[in-house]
Amino acid sequence: AQKVTQAQTEISVVEKEDVTLDCVYETRDTTYYLFWYKQPPSGELVFLIRRNSFDEQNEISGRYSWNFQKSTSSFNFTITASQVVDSAVYFCALSEQGGSEKLVFGKGTKLTVNP
Amino acid sequence: DAGVTQSPTHLIKTRGQQVTLRCSPKSGHDTVSWYQQALGQGPQFIFQYYEEEERQRGNFPDRFSGHQFPNYSSELNVNALLLGDSALYLCASSGTSGSRNIQYFGAGTRLSVL
Repeated sequence: AQKVTQAQTEISVVEKEDVTLDCVYETRDTTYYLFWYKQPPSGELVFLIRRNSFDEQNEISGRYSWNFQKSTSSFNFTITASQVVDSAVYFCALSEQGGSEKLVFGKGTKLTVNP
Repeated sequence: DAGVTQSPTHLIKTRGQQVTLRCSPKSGHDTVSWYQQALGQGPQFIFQYYEEEERQRGNFPDRFSGHQFPNYSSELNVNALLLGDSALYLCASSGTSGSRNIQYFGAGTRLSVL
C-alpha cells in the first residue's frame, strides 16, 4: 500500500530563516514519482516539483531545494531565506506506475512565515 | 493559456440532495482527476477520467459518479448528500507529453452540506 507521512503539522518561522519540511513515503513499486505541492489560502494546489524513483539527484531551484533519499524513503523540501509569501500548506505526494495515476497525499505541513 | 477552471466556487446543499461540479482542463490536457479535501487533511483521490472512461477509482461509494465529455471537460456528481461530504473538491488535469503525469489543479469547489 502507498502511504505518505508528513510528521510536521505546523511550522512557524521568522522571515529569512531556513526551514525544512519532512516527507516519508511507503510503496512496494520500484517505479514511482514523488511530488511537492503548495496550497495557499486561495485553495489551489500549485505544483512545485516532480522526481522519479530512478533519479536521486538533489535539486535546487532558487530558494527551494529538495533532498531525495531512497535509503530512508524520504523526500524533504527546504526553503532558504523564507519569505512571508511562502506561508501556505505544503503537501508531499506519491504516484505509482509513472503515468497519470492517482496521487496519494500526506496530510500537509502548514508553514507560517512571520515578518 | 487558461489553467484548470472549476465551477461553481462555492455551493450549499442540504442532506439528501444531489450536486454536480464542473471542471475544464488545462489546454492540451486529456486526463481529468477529482479529489476530495476535508478540512485540515490532504486531498483524497476520487476517480480519474481518460477518453471519456473512468480509468481509476479511489475508495469512494457509488454515490460519487462522473463523466468526461469529448472536449475533455468533466463533471463530478454526488447523490444523496451526507454531512460528511462537506469538503473542497479539487479537479486536476494532466496529459501533455514530457510532463504527462504532472497534475495541475484548479482552485476547487467548496461544498457545504447542511
